[in-house]
Amino acid sequence: GQQLNQSPQSMFIQEGEDVSMNCTSSSIFNTWLWYKQDPGEGPVLLIALYKAGELTSNGRLTAQFGITRKDSFLNISASIPSDVGIYFCAGTYAGNNRKLIWGLGTSLAVNP
Amino acid sequence: DAGVTQSPTHLIKTRGQQVTLRCSPKSGHDTVSWYQQALGQGPQFIFQYYEEEERQRGNFPDRFSGHQFPNYSSELNVNALLLGDSALYLCASSPAGGIQETQYFGPGTRLLVL
Repeated sequence: GQQLNQSPQSMFIQEGEDVSMNCTSSSIFNTWLWYKQDPGEGPVLLIALYKAGELTSNGRLTAQFGITRKDSFLNISASIPSDVGIYFCAGTYAGNNRKLIWGLGTSLAVNP
Repeated sequence: DAGVTQSPTHLIKTRGQQVTLRCSPKSGHDTVSWYQQALGQGPQFIFQYYEEEERQRGNFPDRFSGHQFPNYSSELNVNALLLGDSALYLCASSPAGGIQETQYFGPGTRLLVL
């Protein structure tokens, strides 16, 4: 079945640094979503993207829907300790009946 | 405005038993999806309910069944539990008339099967 390739798998950065992670697919996607999950909690929706080329910000977070519709990236600027967690990309593509397909997550650690 | 709520938060069962998990969607949402998340993995789609009917289903056996009530709340039932069913079970809701892909998650129910 369809898989999302999310990278990097993990990151360890210093507080104040910028972070970038991305997701790629083999199919053209209609929707890209970025979630953050803290240990023992459900994923929290950060940013939703619905159109190719769309660039959306949510505070220090910025995400873009790739022009080819096969990729998306998430940037975090000036990271802080509470950014620690696992970031997931998810999306839907034509033909999978709008079911969300998920990446395997990027684990982010921030050193204060 | 309450978000998605799930109960119980934690549950311990033994192999062969049956379990029922509950979910109340966010206010104004009418679609509920259930996911299974194993440790270190992304969520895996189980099924989705809309208008009290199962609308979509992922690759899960018939031991996994569900129900949606007129107030849009939902239950996930798992029969004949296996050790491999141990996971975090997540419920997500989507807004009525909105974009169904935009799903909001509850905190999950952590199930341990011994």
